[in-house]
Amino acid sequence: QSALTQPPSASGSPGQSVTISCTGTSSDVGGYNYVSWYQQHPGKAPKLLIYEVTKRPSGVPDRFSGSKSGNTASLTVSGLQAEDEADYYCCSYAGSNTVVFGGGTKLTVL
Amino acid sequence: EVQLVESGGGLVQPGGSLRLSCAVSGFSFSNYWMTWVRQAPGKGLEWVGNIKQDGSEKYYVDSVKGRFTISRDNARNSLYLQMNSLRDEDTAVYYCARRRGGSPTNWYFDLWGRGTLVTVSS
Repeated sequence: QSALTQPPSASGSPGQSVTISCTGTSSDVGGYNYVSWYQQHPGKAPKLLIYEVTKRPSGVPDRFSGSKSGNTASLTVSGLQAEDEADYYCCSYAGSNTVVFGGGTKLTVL
Repeated sequence: EVQLVESGGGLVQPGGSLRLSCAVSGFSFSNYWMTWVRQAPGKGLEWVGNIKQDGSEKYYVDSVKGRFTISRDNARNSLYLQMNSLRDEDTAVYYCARRRGGSPTNWYFDLWGRGTLVTVSS
């Protein structure tokens, strides 16, 4: 049950695109098409952004998109806005009825 | 309005016990798996455990097995986390969340409470 690997930080200017990676193993990210992503603003509860690798819940802007290749999933935020500055976490099924989160990435909008 | 409201957090000494509650409203609680996730101060999210709709299946992260117990009362629309033998490293904000996903391996969490802080310290 080791945490998925995310870069500690990422940044971009307003209007730019930024991609956050999430690397696991064939036992979690690589083994299932069930990666989800969460956004968390300081002092707030996490919010579901992406599920099943690429799907967005209603209400989540289409600026947020997800993908996966092998053992690495990615979250892309296009057209960066100031309100996108937050922490982002990936999550994957990890077998044996467990899930594992990534360590989190702090996104800074310059 | 859909709401998940955690309560029961506080300061407890190492080795002590605490019971967290999560009151749910706005959806059919008994139809969903439920989950506890925690977040140590300044750290990332950590899945703690899940419970099936009827309470017949429960799963935990290794670090809490044998110490924490998840339960639910569908008549009261409430989820619980009984925490025993608490350690310093259990200090965290504890969130309850609704689990979604249409297959046994498809887990994601679409609704979250605001969390309750548990501090384990002497």
